Amino acid sequence: DAGVTQSPTHLIKTRGQHVTLRCSPISGHKSVSWYQQVLGQGPQFIFQYYEKEERGRGNFPDRFSARQFPNYSSELNVNALLLGDSALYLCASSRQGSGNTIYFGEGSWLTVV
Amino acid sequence: GQQLNQSPQSMFIQEGEDVSMNCTSSSIFNTWLWYKQDPGEGPVLLIALYKAGELTSNGRLTAQFGITRKDSFLNISASIPSDVGIYFCAGQQDTNAGKSTFGDGTTLTVKP
Repeated sequence: DAGVTQSPTHLIKTRGQHVTLRCSPISGHKSVSWYQQVLGQGPQFIFQYYEKEERGRGNFPDRFSARQFPNYSSELNVNALLLGDSALYLCASSRQGSGNTIYFGEGSWLTVV
Repeated sequence: GQQLNQSPQSMFIQEGEDVSMNCTSSSIFNTWLWYKQDPGEGPVLLIALYKAGELTSNGRLTAQFGITRKDSFLNISASIPSDVGIYFCAGQQDTNAGKSTFGDGTTLTVKP
């Protein structure tokens, strides 16, 4: 079975632009979480979605938004990009909204110039 | 917000040596998790701890959930070159792994 897949793997954007990152969870998993990992730091929680509803939101500005589709895939959108948004964006999925076993994808590397 | 202090930041050890790293927090967590991240990949769960005082092993890895619920440690015995990577601790205040607070990692280098 395929693991968590994310696209694109790498991208470069200019300040002020908008970006959409995509995530497909493991088949059968209904919960998707997004994390931002800045170089040299641990992942920081951004959002969690379960059954298409937002279950949690981390300390990120409103420029960050996400949604989950009926097939449980998810998109993370970031508007008005800043240099500080440059990071690895990780998606993780789990079967339910709770439970400890989450599986991370390989991430999308975003560079803002 | 919640913060996890992970130490040491980095370790350089000889193959065969044992390794110990720990994580402390000012907040209480109900679950502690340890992950390993290799270059170009996402974190992979190594060990999950659910009860204060719990000691759990996974092969050469052993982790403990501190009695105060504010700390945890991870030990690796008889290190091998493939142990190289970044080890992260993460805490959860509820049983929702989707919302975890991560430390900043311990980078492990193993010299053959």
